[in-house]
Amino acid sequence: DVVLTQTPSILSATIGQSVSISCRSSQSLLDSDGNTYLYWFLQRPGQSPQRLIYLVSNLGSGVPNRFSGSGSGTDFTLKISGVEAEDLGVYYCMQATHAPWTFGGGTKLELK
Amino acid sequence: QVQLKESGPGLVQPSQTLSLTCTVSGFSLTSNSVHWVRQPPGKGLEWMGGIWGDGSTDYNSALKSRLSISRDTSKSQVFLKMNSLQTDDTAIYFCTRELAYWGQGVMVTVSS
Repeated sequence: DVVLTQTPSILSATIGQSVSISCRSSQSLLDSDGNTYLYWFLQRPGQSPQRLIYLVSNLGSGVPNRFSGSGSGTDFTLKISGVEAEDLGVYYCMQATHAPWTFGGGTKLELK
Repeated sequence: QVQLKESGPGLVQPSQTLSLTCTVSGFSLTSNSVHWVRQPPGKGLEWMGGIWGDGSTDYNSALKSRLSISRDTSKSQVFLKMNSLQTDDTAIYFCTRELAYWGQGVMVTVSS
């Protein structure tokens, strides 16, 4: 199975600070169809996951443009340009290129 | 609008079978895939499997021997059945339409 390693596991930030989360894959996530099925989710406390980014860098519907995704192959990054209070929670990367689909271990974003 | 709602027993005895239903609205099951994802208390997310628009299924290999996903398109429902439950199957179970839309989740506790 593909292992996704997220760093850091805990991220402390102040409101307005820009932060980045790394997601590294044990295998390339480039599919034979040319797509890279790498997603980012935010799970706020007590809520279902919310899709933020799909196919590495595409913003999900209704997601603020302070979120951005980048990367290729095995290295991916989620950036938040100016953290807001509503951004606190656990962030997960996920791959759907290789079966079974797998999630990273999560990055908890908290207020400093 | 797109909605998904999970339902099922909150408590299941060890070695018994779990049956969950995901009732959807706002989209067609023949045009979209629905997947099941679970989350043990305080832990990360695990993709369990899914059913595609054409009715084919994919399963996490770690659960494949115990898991079955099916649907009734006339009732807009997707079903999960998993047998031989153990205490480490205690989790919140979510259904999701292609990772973009999620149900609220249902908590399942495996205990005697």
